[in-house]
Amino acid sequence: GDSVTQMEGPVTLSEEAFLTINCTYTATGYPSLFWYVQYPGEGLQLLLKATKADDKGSNKGFEATYRKETTSFHLEKGSVQVSDSAVYFCALSDRRTTDSWGKFQFGAGTQVVVTP
Amino acid sequence: DAGVIQSPRHEVTEMGQEVTLRCKPISGHNSLFWYRQTMMRGLELLIYFNNNVPIDDSGMPEDRFSAKMPNASFSTLKIQPSEPRDSAVYFCASSTQGLGTEAFFGQGTRLTVV
Repeated sequence: GDSVTQMEGPVTLSEEAFLTINCTYTATGYPSLFWYVQYPGEGLQLLLKATKADDKGSNKGFEATYRKETTSFHLEKGSVQVSDSAVYFCALSDRRTTDSWGKFQFGAGTQVVVTP
Repeated sequence: DAGVIQSPRHEVTEMGQEVTLRCKPISGHNSLFWYRQTMMRGLELLIYFNNNVPIDDSGMPEDRFSAKMPNASFSTLKIQPSEPRDSAVYFCASSTQGLGTEAFFGQGTRLTVV
């Protein structure tokens, strides 16, 4: 079945450091890819998404590019802030059938801790 | 829009009791998902509905769990009888159907079974 693998955390960084969180996927067909963020005590919020190969999703300084050849969707941010401390989830949406659209497969999540 | 609304936010119950979690999806969304989040297992999809019809309930752990969606604006997840291993945060999410559409999550219900 479809699956998402992302790097384990926690990832601890200093403020203004560069952040990369690796995400790879396996899927039958052509999924849409997403990054979600979860702040303590809250639900998941969409951070960015990409629906086809070579698409780049971006939001709040974060970027990720849909790489079909390497089945990857790595998340990057050039200069993190303390407020970026959260858990980040990579996810895919199955597109094989219309009933499957929107069924999400999530990675295990990567905790990011940014220190001043 | 108020977003996905879940109730209660916190629930503490004794083992063996029935627990009902509630969800109001975003108006106009026709897909609804129930997820469970634990430290050990991460985020698990329990069941999802399209147009109020259950499409995939393969993630429901056992017969003690049941979910309903009587109309487009309300869904319940029931656990009967509850067990300590059911302690987790339960999320409801909704989305429109379509290519690349994202899911919108509620704040979650933190369930503790003692």
